[in-house]
Amino acid sequence: GQNIDQPTEMTATEGAIVQINCTYQTSGFNGLFWYQQHAGEAPTFLSYNVLDGLEEKGRFSSFLSRSKGYSYLLLKELQMKDSASYLCAARGDYKLSFGAGTTVTVRA
Amino acid sequence: EAQVTQNPRYLITVTGKKLTVTCSQNMNHEYMSWYRQDPGLGLRQIYYSMNVEVTDKGDVPEGYKVSRKEKRNFPLILESPSPNQTSLYFCASSLRQGMNTEAFFGQGTRLTVV
Repeated sequence: GQNIDQPTEMTATEGAIVQINCTYQTSGFNGLFWYQQHAGEAPTFLSYNVLDGLEEKGRFSSFLSRSKGYSYLLLKELQMKDSASYLCAARGDYKLSFGAGTTVTVRA
Repeated sequence: EAQVTQNPRYLITVTGKKLTVTCSQNMNHEYMSWYRQDPGLGLRQIYYSMNVEVTDKGDVPEGYKVSRKEKRNFPLILESPSPNQTSLYFCASSLRQGMNTEAFFGQGTRLTVV
């Protein structure tokens, strides 16, 4: 089965850094994804990790530890447009399972 | 433009009246799936399809049917909708499973069953 946990809400100031943690228990694990979803819109792909370590992509970085069943998404130099829900998703057994999402609010 | 197209975007229907939500992708993707999204529960997979004529249940399949007669289309069928199926539905496709392939999502269908 699949079990994915992430915090419900986080608030940060414009220009700051925020780290969103995700823990997962997934049978047949073969990849961890992060998606961004603005209110009322479709999720859009941010990052993918399958090996341990850090993947950096501009202002966004994602980290994976397979042995700990743990990932985080790091958002740097926060901008107002980064206010959105961030979804952690683990792939295993032919399924992509999502956490409930973390709503990030960026304040001026 | 590469995309996943769902129709309709919004639908209000009555209990028991059969409906179909269409999903089409133009990227020649093998893998397609349907999710429903409810507050506090996130995206939950309803059904998925590995390829034409190959479908399987996700985590919440009760009350839904799907078919995959062509590679590009993956309709979601509610034979007898009930109010607990009021939700935001997303169709998604990816090149195939088991590889570093991201899922592309349709724009969503907001369904209300009264």
